[in-house]
Formats: sequence, C-alpha cells, structure tokens
Amino acid sequence: ETGVTQSPTHLIKTRGQQVTLRCSSQSGHNTVSWYQQALGQGPQFIFQYYREEENGRGNFPPRFSGLQFPNYSSELNVNALELDDSALYLCASSRDRDGANVLTFGAGSRLTVL
Amino acid sequence: QKEVEQNSGPLSVPEGAIASLNCTYSDRGSQSFFWYRQYSGKSPELIMSIYSNGDKEDGRFTAQLNKASQYVSLLIRDSQPSDSATYLCAGRGSGGYQKVTFGIGTKLQVIP
Repeated sequence: ETGVTQSPTHLIKTRGQQVTLRCSSQSGHNTVSWYQQALGQGPQFIFQYYREEENGRGNFPPRFSGLQFPNYSSELNVNALELDDSALYLCASSRDRDGANVLTFGAGSRLTVL
Repeated sequence: QKEVEQNSGPLSVPEGAIASLNCTYSDRGSQSFFWYRQYSGKSPELIMSIYSNGDKEDGRFTAQLNKASQYVSLLIRDSQPSDSATYLCAGRGSGGYQKVTFGIGTKLQVIP
C-alpha cells in the first residue's frame, strides 16, 4: 500500500509568481484535503476534493485553487504569491469524506516566497 | 473563538512520567476527534482517533473524550525522549463536507 506522496518537497518563489503543488493519494483513498501550516501554527484547512469536485473550502482567497484527477491525485495552485504564503503545504487523503475517516498526510511541500 | 483550542506549551515532563495533553472544541456537532504527532520539520502522523465518550487505550496512549464538556485529552504513560514532539488535536466538524480542524498543537518535551 503506497502512502501519500507530494512534490516538490521544497521550492522557492518570488512575490507575484505562481506555484503548483502535486499530491498522489494513498491507494484506496478517494478524498484529498489540502492544508497550510505556517511556522508554529497548526494546519489550516484550505479545501477538500471528492470525486473531482471541491466540496469544502476554508478561509483562503480565490487565488488558491485546486484540481482532483480521475485517479484521485490532486494539485494545489497558488497565484500571485505573497510573502505570507510561505509555509508547509500538506496534502492528506482519506478513504472517504465521512466523519470517521482519518487523514493520512504526505511529507509536505515547503514553499518559501521571497 | 477558535474551533479547536490547545495550550501551545511547551509541556515538560521527566522521562517515565505521565504526560497529559488537553484540548477543547467549540462545535457541539463534532463527532470525530484525532490526535496527531508531528516531529519538527515532518508531517503529522495519526496516534489515536476517538469517536465515543470515554477512554480509548492503545499501548502507552490513552485518549479521553467528554462531549458534554467539549473536551478531549491524550495521556502518554511512561514518557520517553522519543515522544518529544508537537501533539495536534483535531476534530471533524458537522457540515456537509466534514472538514478536519486542527488546534495549534502542544509541544511536549520529555527530559531524560
């Protein structure tokens, strides 16, 4: 059983640029959630994808967008990068979107915006 | 009011002692609760999930849930230096898409 994989692991961008982060969900999981974790903070919910549709969103502006593909992998896109976007971006997959299903996290993508 | 609240710590305990980590939540409709451990620079990993009032034990770990008080706790018995990490409390709220909300995390330091 393969776990959740994310790429790239580290990247550096400048303000105003755009970034795409990628995530492959764990085998058997159909739901993907994205989180932003700033230094010293807990993970903040960005959005969740289920059956290729966004079915929940946290308090993030529209320049944060995503996709889920038929194989349940997912992308997070951030446009017009700001310095405050510097954080660890975590992808988590779950077997379904029901309450009891636990999240399994990938190793994360650490984004630095200069 | 934050949806899930934790003391950020650090909580320092001597090796072999019991570490007690606490968390409160605001959404009375929350049904599922989770404790994740996160080592510095790493991603969170699940330690325990709990869905019903009472205690749930797994090895050295015991999770406790009190829905009336909206309180979740994690006890770590015989604490080891390898337990030193940040412990994240999380709850899955009510609502159509059942997002999981995390607290800020409590940093635990086990002193040898």
